[in-house]
Amino acid sequence: AQTVTQSQPEMSVQEAETVTLSCTYDTSESDYYLFWYKQPPSRQMILVIRQEAYKQQNATENRFSVNFQKAAKSFSLKISDSQLGDAAMYFCAYRITQGAQKLVFGQGTRLTINP
Amino acid sequence: DTEVTQTPKHLVMGMTNKKSLKCEQHMGHRAMYWYKQKAKKPPELMFVYSYEKLSINESVPSRFSPECPNSSLLNLHLHALQPEDSALYLCASSQDRGYGGELFFGEGSRLTVL
Repeated sequence: AQTVTQSQPEMSVQEAETVTLSCTYDTSESDYYLFWYKQPPSRQMILVIRQEAYKQQNATENRFSVNFQKAAKSFSLKISDSQLGDAAMYFCAYRITQGAQKLVFGQGTRLTINP
Repeated sequence: DTEVTQTPKHLVMGMTNKKSLKCEQHMGHRAMYWYKQKAKKPPELMFVYSYEKLSINESVPSRFSPECPNSSLLNLHLHALQPEDSALYLCASSQDRGYGGELFFGEGSRLTVL
């Protein structure tokens, strides 16, 4: 069974600084997707960034980037120049590309931004 | 702006009531999902519909009954719920099976069972 582990229940960072959220996963599949979702208090889950396992290049979206280490099954999220609006619960998620489309979530990391 | 619309946003019901949660998307997605989320926990998958057919049921109690009338609509019928069923219910959609694309989530329906 696929599992996703986020070992940091809570993190905090000063505004404008950089923070890295950790995620590891376990799978026997070779073809899959990894995602980071953000869920602010408004409740809606918002996609932050995605990574296809077959791509060696790390995904980047503006201030958000990932460090994808396929052999180590690690998928960390780096947020640069943190802003107050980045405060939210962040979920790492995994999904295989074939067959059932179940999205498996980690337990989440609550990120606080200190002004 | 959300492209997955859920109604109602809040619902309070008694254990003997029958109610429904509704979800709508107009992105042409052919897969739709119901997730249940308790406070400070990740979403838990309940059901997946692919091309209007139920493809995954994660052993959800029969007091939850999903329905997919067409490719744009997804309902969750609720009957004889228990207080422990109080949670945020999230609907999501994605492109075709096998594509592996991301899920687009609605804002959720906050359910309280008295």
